[in-house]
Amino acid sequence: DGGITQSPKYLFRKEGQNVTLSCEQNLNHDAMYWYRQDPGQGLRLIYYSQIVNDFQKGDIAEGYSVSREKKESFPLTVTSAQKNPTAFYLCASSIRATGTEAFFGQGTRLTVV
Amino acid sequence: GQQLNQSPQSMFIQEGEDVSMNCTSSSIFNTWLWYKQDPGEGPVLLIALYKAGELTSNGRLTAQFGITRKDSFLNISASIPSDVGIYFCAGPPPSNTGKLIFGQGTTLQVKP
Repeated sequence: DGGITQSPKYLFRKEGQNVTLSCEQNLNHDAMYWYRQDPGQGLRLIYYSQIVNDFQKGDIAEGYSVSREKKESFPLTVTSAQKNPTAFYLCASSIRATGTEAFFGQGTRLTVV
Repeated sequence: GQQLNQSPQSMFIQEGEDVSMNCTSSSIFNTWLWYKQDPGEGPVLLIALYKAGELTSNGRLTAQFGITRKDSFLNISASIPSDVGIYFCAGPPPSNTGKLIFGQGTTLQVKP
């Protein structure tokens, strides 16, 4: 089945460790996005990519890094520089780079202790 | 950065009632998207709007693209308990259509 897959669903890490969240899509979508959601809050854009080997910072990129080496994959690394990393992370993709509907994965809940 | 403002922030209604929520921006948008998020899940696309004045339905849901292009509305008729969740508006800002930004959401609770 086509879709967008995030793994794992739940992730626990110790403070000071980097952690990488996986996002894979088999929809042949050009654009991919990473969002952060805090309790009771909306979705804030971390990074987005419109094409392979290119990505742009969103509104809250500090403390995060991404790569887009393959069209179907857009992993997000939460670095130790991120001051408050505990959150729900959502990955999305859309068929074109501009102005079209995005479809989301199931999310990864990251808890840093 | 650009923002989408949703209102109301939350709603608590009786089953069977109609619901109305809206989303506004200080800038013109060319696309409006409405999503619903269940607890612990990713948002699911409900309706997409691409033309000013457009009115689109999806079952009991109806959304409209405002004439000014700075707002959009979502209505839910005859609410049921499974309508519970967070409803988000979203869109690509015209200054950078590669981005997709979201409003802060409207939380809906339905009392059976």
